[in-house]
Amino acid sequence: EDQVTQSPEALRLQEGESSSLNCSYTVSGLRGLFWYRQDPGKGPEFLFTLYSAGEEKEKERLKATLTKKESFLHITAPKPEDSATYLCAVQLSGNQFYFGTGTSLTVIP
Amino acid sequence: DTGVSQNPRHKITKRGQNVTFRCDPISEHNRLYWYRQTLGQGPEFLTYFQNEAQLEKSRLLSDRFSAERPKGSFSTLEIQRTEQGDSAMYLCASSYPWRGATDTQYFGPGTRLTVL
Repeated sequence: EDQVTQSPEALRLQEGESSSLNCSYTVSGLRGLFWYRQDPGKGPEFLFTLYSAGEEKEKERLKATLTKKESFLHITAPKPEDSATYLCAVQLSGNQFYFGTGTSLTVIP
Repeated sequence: DTGVSQNPRHKITKRGQNVTFRCDPISEHNRLYWYRQTLGQGPEFLTYFQNEAQLEKSRLLSDRFSAERPKGSFSTLEIQRTEQGDSAMYLCASSYPWRGATDTQYFGPGTRLTVL
């Protein structure tokens, strides 16, 4: 059965304290893996698309990496405005999309 | 701003009533997706269109749900005989996948449905 699992469910960091969020997947026929940020009461905001193992992408304090079984979202020196829920999603060969349940990140000043 | 727009943003209805939501995608995007999201969960796929053709529907989608995309532009999602379990955020996303490429979706702000 295709599955996407994100960990931890919730993460509290002090401002400036770097950490990583994990997205592991057990799917067949992966076409792409996506990271989104979602603020309360709003739609997800696109961050990154990763296509193949070994790929890395960066944007400001965020860096996403992909292996054959998981993806990491590294947050370097986070700020309070980085507080949000971070979602990962996978696209399969048949154009199905599955989202994880997200990691709720809180950055404390 | 030419992002995805959804209307209404909030809808409160009584059980048994019908509701309809509208989504206007980014203008050049030919794919349009509908998702449902409940508190603490990720978005759950409902259905998607390529231009005006509805290509896939989730097995979880009740026959009380119907979606249309006339002329391949905006889309509507209708829920008939609403139930309290339909209370959720309904999200629309659009994309323009290049041939063979992955399908990066851009989401709208969502419609929050509350069924009393």
